Amino acid sequence: AQSVTQPDIHITVSEGASLELRCNYSYGATPYLFWYVQSPGQGLQLLLKYFSGDTLVQGIKGFEAEFKRSQSSFNLRKPSVHWSDAAEYFCAVDDSGGSNYKLTFGKGTLLTVNP
Amino acid sequence: DAGITQSPRHKVTETGTPVTLRCHQTENHRYMYWYRQDPGHGLRLIHYSYGVKDTDKGEVSDGYSVSRSKTEDFLLTLESATSSQTSVYFCAISDSPGQGSSTSGNTIYFGEGSWLTVV
Repeated sequence: AQSVTQPDIHITVSEGASLELRCNYSYGATPYLFWYVQSPGQGLQLLLKYFSGDTLVQGIKGFEAEFKRSQSSFNLRKPSVHWSDAAEYFCAVDDSGGSNYKLTFGKGTLLTVNP
Repeated sequence: DAGITQSPRHKVTETGTPVTLRCHQTENHRYMYWYRQDPGHGLRLIHYSYGVKDTDKGEVSDGYSVSRSKTEDFLLTLESATSSQTSVYFCAISDSPGQGSSTSGNTIYFGEGSWLTVV
């Protein structure tokens, strides 16, 4: 079965610093890849997604992610973090090849932003 | 806003009682899902539906049943609630290829969540 690993449970960065959140997946073919963000007490908001093509994907709120097939990774980055980025971030994989769109989620990375 | 409404948003119930959560969508999406979210586990799929009266199990389906009698509603039922089912439940919908995003594949949108406490 496929799995998604987010190695960092909690990350703290200073406002204005760069950010990279890691995500690794286990799956033979190229899956559909997603990053979601969740603020406390809220639902999940889609940041970006990768299906095919250019391996560097731009998302909302200044986030980007890069798909690296050789490393089975889909890391999320932001060059300069804002205090409002404090939230929990989830990487997710759809390995159905588009047949049923079920997602497997990582356990999440909680981001704290220091002033 | 993907037009998803979950109800109730908050509920406290007693062990052994039945509970039904409702997910309502306004945009005629074919696929609907129920996930639960627990600390340290991320989100896990309970059941999903790929059409009216077409449903299938997910990763953590034991103790749950679902029904979809019309496109816009997907119901999740806990037949006899247990404390282990205390969780936050999220409904999701998918705009599958052919429904306006054929060049970019599917995207899955989530509702705001239903907080369920079983005491």
